[in-house]
Amino acid sequence: SQQGEEDPQALSIQEGENATMNCSYKTSINNLQWYRQNSGRGLVHLILIRSNEREKHSGRLRVTLDTSKKSSSLLITASRAADTASYFCATDEANQAGTALIFGKGTTLSVSS
Amino acid sequence: GAGVSQSPRYKVAKRGQDVALRCDPISGHVSLFWYQQALGQGPEFLTYFQNEAQLDKSGLPSDRFFAERPEGSVSTLKIQRTQQEDSAVYLCASSGGRGGNYGYTFGSGTRLTVV
Repeated sequence: SQQGEEDPQALSIQEGENATMNCSYKTSINNLQWYRQNSGRGLVHLILIRSNEREKHSGRLRVTLDTSKKSSSLLITASRAADTASYFCATDEANQAGTALIFGKGTTLSVSS
Repeated sequence: GAGVSQSPRYKVAKRGQDVALRCDPISGHVSLFWYQQALGQGPEFLTYFQNEAQLDKSGLPSDRFFAERPEGSVSTLKIQRTQQEDSAVYLCASSGGRGGNYGYTFGSGTRLTVV
């Protein structure tokens, strides 16, 4: 089963533009994470945001979390061709010690030069 | 090691054959996870180990799937009597924390094709 759902499913932008991806989830969580996957490769961890945090930054990445709406967004600023990849959000479940992450279906981002 | 290592990288199995997929996590990582990823989809959770204890196996699709981590490091995912619907990429990940409290480091995966 998949807990999170990313929106949009696919996104095409030009280099230099910003890319925004959204994630909605169903249950209360402890943590939400974002991952990137290049074609044919494993997933790479980008950023983790805890349920008591509202915003987090890492380089050109900005993540927000709204637990009242059960949603998160990932913003990539000044995109580059190398950002072309699939992006997944993943959540654990609150009130359970140590549950594994459940991933969404992902957003496929294409950045053209 | 420096990363999570999975072997083999590719596996072609005839329907009905048994397969074993290996995962070598980052040394010292207590948590180890297996996921199945179909083409164009997100990873689907299979099972989770904390050290040698299998804490959650609710994602294993049938009793043909079995995973173990006997000494709390290397893990093996075994699929018996493979079926065509088992064709997918099998991803292993490890984490220094428990559950989703820390980021996961993923291996490159094993692409299983059942013919």
